[in-house]
Amino acid sequence: GQQVMQIPQYQHVQEGEDFTTYCNSSTTLSNIQWYKQRPGGHPVFLIQLVKSGEVKKQKRLTFQFGEAKKNSSLHITATQTTDVGTYFCAGRSFGNEKLTFGTGTRLTIIP
Amino acid sequence: NAGVTQTPKFQVLKTGQSMTLQCAQDMNHEYMSWYRQDPGMGLRLIHYSVGAGITDQGEVPNGYNVSRSTTEDFPLRLLSAAPSQTSVYFCASRTGQAHTGELFFGEGSRLTVL
Repeated sequence: GQQVMQIPQYQHVQEGEDFTTYCNSSTTLSNIQWYKQRPGGHPVFLIQLVKSGEVKKQKRLTFQFGEAKKNSSLHITATQTTDVGTYFCAGRSFGNEKLTFGTGTRLTIIP
Repeated sequence: NAGVTQTPKFQVLKTGQSMTLQCAQDMNHEYMSWYRQDPGMGLRLIHYSVGAGITDQGEVPNGYNVSRSTTEDFPLRLLSAAPSQTSVYFCASRTGQAHTGELFFGEGSRLTVL
């Protein structure tokens, strides 16, 4: 079945440093979504990417979808304490209703 | 709007007991699903439903039953709880259009099986 892996599993950064998490799927995806889960909270949708090579930005966050539609990345510029949490990618294969989540990257910020 | 509501928030069971986790949404979403979250494992799909009367298995369905008699409700049943089912459970829903739908999550139900 479809597998979605994320690296790294954990990332500790000084406040103000950049952060990147990478997502790789075993199959070609129709689209990929990113979610953020604050400690003790529930996942909250951030963005969806659909097109090959697509790049989207939300303030300090930059999301990319690979040309082959099998990988994606999330980059945060100049991290802030509000960025703390676990970031998940989630991919959907063509014709498939199911959304498969990656293992997540837990980001902690050192003030 | 309440969104997706899960009850209970916390539950402790003994091995072999049964229980039902409730999930209700008020957004008229066709698609509903249950995930479990374990450390280092991400979110794994248990069961999902694309509409009333229709359910299907996800990645880890064993030990769980679901039904979808109405659009609003999607309960998850544990018939005979096992310690391996200790986890945080999330219910999530979206519109019926898979190519555009973001998932809306409930706040989670933390289950401990002794």
